[in-house]
Amino acid sequence: DVKVTQSSRYLVKRTGEKVFLECVQDMDHENMFWYRQDPGLGLRLIYFSYDVKMKEKGDIPEGYSVSREKKERFSLILESASTNQTSMYLCASSSRRTGGGYTFGSGTRLTVV
Amino acid sequence: DQQVKQNSPSLSVQEGRISILNCDYTNSMFDYFLWYKKYPAEGPTFLISISSIKDKNEDGRFTVFLNKSAKHLSLHIVPSQPGDSAVYFCAATATNSGYALNFGKGTSLLVTP
Repeated sequence: DVKVTQSSRYLVKRTGEKVFLECVQDMDHENMFWYRQDPGLGLRLIYFSYDVKMKEKGDIPEGYSVSREKKERFSLILESASTNQTSMYLCASSSRRTGGGYTFGSGTRLTVV
Repeated sequence: DQQVKQNSPSLSVQEGRISILNCDYTNSMFDYFLWYKKYPAEGPTFLISISSIKDKNEDGRFTVFLNKSAKHLSLHIVPSQPGDSAVYFCAATATNSGYALNFGKGTSLLVTP
């Protein structure tokens, strides 16, 4: 069963901490994405990557960075966590080979206190 | 700027009746459209898609209709079941853009017994 795995379901971090959210996919997908979901705002794209070591800013990249050292792994980094980054974070992957539809992970609920 | 709009934040339907979820888009370059379903504390799961070369796609109880001239699509669920209660996200992409999906804000569907 193919899947996208996010390392943590729930995280609580303090303001100012550096936070790493990890995402791994086992489908050999070339595309990987990080979104955040907030009530009333839907899914907003933070960063995405079309290849190893490649990254592109999405709609709301401020306060975040990403790393893609291996094809299967895409990490989201909060350089200095703030309370307005409390959210549900969703990782997804896709491939042109399979039509481009996303497979999502289960999400990480991050709370910054 | 929201390129995919779901103007109804919520919808309530009786079990057995039809649910109609609507979605509008503004970017005429979009040529591939998808619907995702999301339960609380889970990642979104792919439901159904349609290419711009079609105006209808059906999969069991789910049918998506596309009206390109109106830049409008809709998801019909017939008959609705209580297990269909979830948030539904409409998404669109231009397939020459690398398959980054643009999501609407979602519609929360409640199917009552």
